[in-house]
Amino acid sequence: EDKVVQSPLSLVVHEGDTVTLNCSYEVTNFRSLLWYKQEKKAPTFLFMLTSSGIEKKSGRLSSILDKKELFSILNITATQTGDSAVYLCAASSGTYKYIFGTGTRLKVLA
Amino acid sequence: EPEVTQTPSHQVTQMGQEVILRCVPISNHLYFYWYRQILGQKVEFLVSFYNNEISEKSEIFDDQFSVERPDGSNFTLKIRSTKLEDSAMYFCASRLGQSTNEKLFFGSGTQLSVL
Repeated sequence: EDKVVQSPLSLVVHEGDTVTLNCSYEVTNFRSLLWYKQEKKAPTFLFMLTSSGIEKKSGRLSSILDKKELFSILNITATQTGDSAVYLCAASSGTYKYIFGTGTRLKVLA
Repeated sequence: EPEVTQTPSHQVTQMGQEVILRCVPISNHLYFYWYRQILGQKVEFLVSFYNNEISEKSEIFDDQFSVERPDGSNFTLKIRSTKLEDSAMYFCASRLGQSTNEKLFFGSGTQLSVL
């Protein structure tokens, strides 16, 4: 059965800290790994990763994929209170079904 | 930026009633999805739709559920006889369809409450 596991489930940090969120996956005919940020309702897209070892960056956020070990990490440096959200990882299968993990709830304290 | 729109944002219904959740995917997208998220739980795949037919569906998507693309723009999810456990946030999503661009765009969701 396809599955995506995220860790930790929740995390509380102070502003300025760096956090690393983990995502492991087991998906039939894996195609890509996507990260989303969910604040109130709709998940908003952060990154899509298809190749191992190539870091994607956007401001203070970065992500990398390891297709051999079947995991991805999302790093956030110099965290701000606005980074507080649930971060979702999703893996797409050969049939373009996107399987989501349970998410990591990040709370950044001022 | 183009977006997926969903209506209504909230829907309250009595158990056993039929509901239709509506979505307008991004206009040039070819693949459409419904997901649901029960409060505090993960986003769960319900169904994917392409070329006017279901591509794949999950175990959750039983005979009580159906999807339709009645015209060139709308994509609907119907629940025939709602149960208490159908209470959840339902997200519509779409993607362009090119194999090099698999980014999935989500709508803001419909919060369904079954009483």
